[in-house]
Amino acid sequence: DTGVSQNPRHKITKRGQNVTFRCDPISEHNRLYWYRQTLGQGPEFLTYFQNEAQLEKSRLLSDRFSAERPKGSFSTLEIQRTEQGDSAMYLCASSLAGTGGATEKLFFGSGTQLSVL
Amino acid sequence: TQLLEQSPQFLSIQEGENLTVYCNSSSVFSSLQWYRQEPGEGPVLLVTVVTGGEVKKLKRLTFQFGDARKDSSLHITAAQPGDTGLYLCRGNKLTFGGGTRVLVKP
Repeated sequence: DTGVSQNPRHKITKRGQNVTFRCDPISEHNRLYWYRQTLGQGPEFLTYFQNEAQLEKSRLLSDRFSAERPKGSFSTLEIQRTEQGDSAMYLCASSLAGTGGATEKLFFGSGTQLSVL
Repeated sequence: TQLLEQSPQFLSIQEGENLTVYCNSSSVFSSLQWYRQEPGEGPVLLVTVVTGGEVKKLKRLTFQFGDARKDSSLHITAAQPGDTGLYLCRGNKLTFGGGTRVLVKP
């Protein structure tokens, strides 16, 4: 078990280009989350999957953002027509959702730092 | 959306001092978590509190969940430079607080 892996670690792109990030969760985890974080702020929820189903998507997320989790394993997050305001750290987390009431433990990757020039 | 407000936003102290950071909401949570994040890394879970009034200790860190389950605090005794980081609370699947950045100077 190597933990949650995110690639690339850094991405620099020009405004208007499309970018895609990948997240490989811990293998037995059924939930996968995407968050966005700007410097000094808390993570902002983007979307999450349970297995291959995308169960919730933030209302703040524009239609330029799309995420997939085919076969309930790895996930990709694509941003189309990037804007300078998209510059942020994109964090992926996975968890094993149980039947108990306590919030499950999230295991985070190291993130992908996106810079849009 | 259940909002979580953390205070203070930034705290700078000398090694050996004590500190307390707070996480508050107008909503009731069934449980609440605290994470610590170091620069360039993802957050790491410190603790989950479940019962109103609960107190949990993790070495020099003491976590308290409010009786009404709307607020929580994290107290660090005799802070060390290794405690430096962004402390985040999480109240449900989706929501994190804005974080408290703690800097412990040697």
